[in-house]
Amino acid sequence: DTGVSQDPRHKITKRGQNVTFRCDPISEHNRLYWYRQTLGQGPEFLTYFQNEAQLEKSRLLSDRFSAERPKGSFSTLEIQRTEQGDSAMYLCASSPRTSVYNEQFFGPGTRLTVL
Amino acid sequence: SQQGEEDPQALSIQEGENATMNCSYKTSINNLQWYRQNSGRGLVHLILIRSNEREKHSGRLRVTLDTSKKSSSLLITASRAADTASYFCATVEYGNKLVFGAGTILRVKS
Repeated sequence: DTGVSQDPRHKITKRGQNVTFRCDPISEHNRLYWYRQTLGQGPEFLTYFQNEAQLEKSRLLSDRFSAERPKGSFSTLEIQRTEQGDSAMYLCASSPRTSVYNEQFFGPGTRLTVL
Repeated sequence: SQQGEEDPQALSIQEGENATMNCSYKTSINNLQWYRQNSGRGLVHLILIRSNEREKHSGRLRVTLDTSKKSSSLLITASRAADTASYFCATVEYGNKLVFGAGTILRVKS
């Protein structure tokens, strides 16, 4: 399968715990995005990488959130001291540099439930 | 922040009927995209229309764009049960991020 993959698909954690999600983009895509989607809403942008450089972060990304893409390939999103309000679907997407119109290819998402 | 509103919020039709959903946006755009999301799954890109285009077709999909009204519509013709999903419009803002609407939930009854 050459699509965007995310791991895990589901995560249940207790409030205050740290969680880390992984995203593997399509191999030749140099752009990688993280979005968060809550029930009944469209996805909201969190952050964006071009290769290993994190070029933009949303105000939604509080200090408890950190994202990395150390070698310009896979990316991780870590949430520290989780809160119930962090419960959401976390979506990763990638796009190639040649995508002038910015069509993005999405993974299946990681559904986080904070108890 | 959400880009705008999608209308209707939910739509239920019989198989074979056409489905029309609308999207409004707030800022000037380079292009507008429509995505589909099946229950519990990721988003799939359906169609992109550039700001200098007024209408575009792809299979059973027809998208229109009215930049003067900052609105777009997605028409799905001859709907099938497999079209049951949530549909989102998205625009691209500075920094290559997509800004999505709240979506329309489409249910096609067989």
